Amino acid sequence: SAVISQKPSRDICQRGTSLTIQCQVDSQVTMMFWYRQQPGQSLTLIATANQGSEATYESGFVIDKFPISRPNLTFSTLTVSNMSPEDSSIYLCSVTTGEDRFFGPGTRLTVL
Amino acid sequence: QKEVEQDPGPLSVPEGAIVSLNCTYSNSAFQYFMWYRQYSRKGPELLMYTYSSGNKEDGRFTAQVDKSSKYISLFIRDSQPSDSATYLCAMSVTGNQFYFGTGTSLTVIP
Repeated sequence: SAVISQKPSRDICQRGTSLTIQCQVDSQVTMMFWYRQQPGQSLTLIATANQGSEATYESGFVIDKFPISRPNLTFSTLTVSNMSPEDSSIYLCSVTTGEDRFFGPGTRLTVL
Repeated sequence: QKEVEQDPGPLSVPEGAIVSLNCTYSNSAFQYFMWYRQYSRKGPELLMYTYSSGNKEDGRFTAQVDKSSKYISLFIRDSQPSDSATYLCAMSVTGNQFYFGTGTSLTVIP
């Protein structure tokens, strides 16, 4: 298993600003994933972050809006840039060990 | 058509009841089937994991996979108020890319 922590746990931000979310894992992992969870919708994968290479983004998500860093095997950040109210959501960090996928507690973002 | 369909509920049952949660899917290549439990203001936690078809039991929880019908189920026996949560099904072909249901909200009333 893996224990994942995220910071901040929640935030309320103004339109047009940016927020960086941090994800820390208690063990070294190759791939880290960033998801978005909106009410009534399934978990949506934003991007996959591998250490030492650029993140791979899913359709509908772009690097300029959601830049990701992966400086080492236990840490990653996701930035939500130039925020609008539509970005209000829960953002989840996730890792895979074997075939199992584990999730962090999430960051609840509200954009006013 | 969505890859994974899940009835969002909400589902409300009395304590001690048997709960049945279900998902259907369209991709016959799915081989990995998972159930996650998500408490309010928490991240999803892996509850049950099944590879291919068949049943898997863990305490009060039983996961069933029927690949011929493209249908999976999670049964909770002797439900407890602590089981109140949102349950998400998830599936994968290779164990890399996961497809999630929208989640079913369950409340177990004491």
